[in-house]
Amino acid sequence: GENVEQHPSTLSVQEGDSAVIKCTYSDSASNYFPWYKQELGKRPQLIIDIRSNVGEKKDQRIAVTLNKTAKHFSLHITETQPEDSAVYFCAATTGNQFYFGTGTSLTVIP
Amino acid sequence: NAGVMQNPRHLVRRRGQEARLRCSPMKGHSHVYWYRQLPEEGLKFMVYLQKENIIDESGMPKERFSAEFPKEGPSILRIQQVVRGDSAAYFCASSLTGTSLDTQYFGPGTRLTVL
Repeated sequence: GENVEQHPSTLSVQEGDSAVIKCTYSDSASNYFPWYKQELGKRPQLIIDIRSNVGEKKDQRIAVTLNKTAKHFSLHITETQPEDSAVYFCAATTGNQFYFGTGTSLTVIP
Repeated sequence: NAGVMQNPRHLVRRRGQEARLRCSPMKGHSHVYWYRQLPEEGLKFMVYLQKENIIDESGMPKERFSAEFPKEGPSILRIQQVVRGDSAAYFCASSLTGTSLDTQYFGPGTRLTVL
């Protein structure tokens, strides 16, 4: 089955700096890669996703890049704000089952 | 435009009791997924259901756990004879088509505590 690895597990940045979270996957058939943000005690919320036919996608301060050859994808958050502090999960899927990374706890220091 | 609903939000059970967790998908969605999240860990897939069918239960423990999604009503995740190790947050998600090109939307979760 698919194996998704996520790094780093924790990340602290100063407000206004950029944050980058990286994930690798093992199954070359994976074709959909969502990113979820989970605040403490709350549900995972989809923040951005990318499909395998696209190399990059941007939505305001958030961008995701995908390198299918290397089987890795990354989340980029620019101009970070304190409300960006949360746990971020990447996921990969070839079909029904989403395989999640272990999460990155992001802290934005005011 | 109601999202995915789960109840109860918090459930406390003593060892040996049964836990029943309910999930109502988003309106129009007929595909439901259950995930378990242990403290400080990621989400682990348990089971994928469509109405009246279990499609993929490869992540479900073989014993004590069962799931259903009847023609009418919510999806139910049932844990019999709970043990302390079952304490976790259980999230369900739903999608419209169930294909790999479709986003899964998560409910607020049920936090199960086994005493």
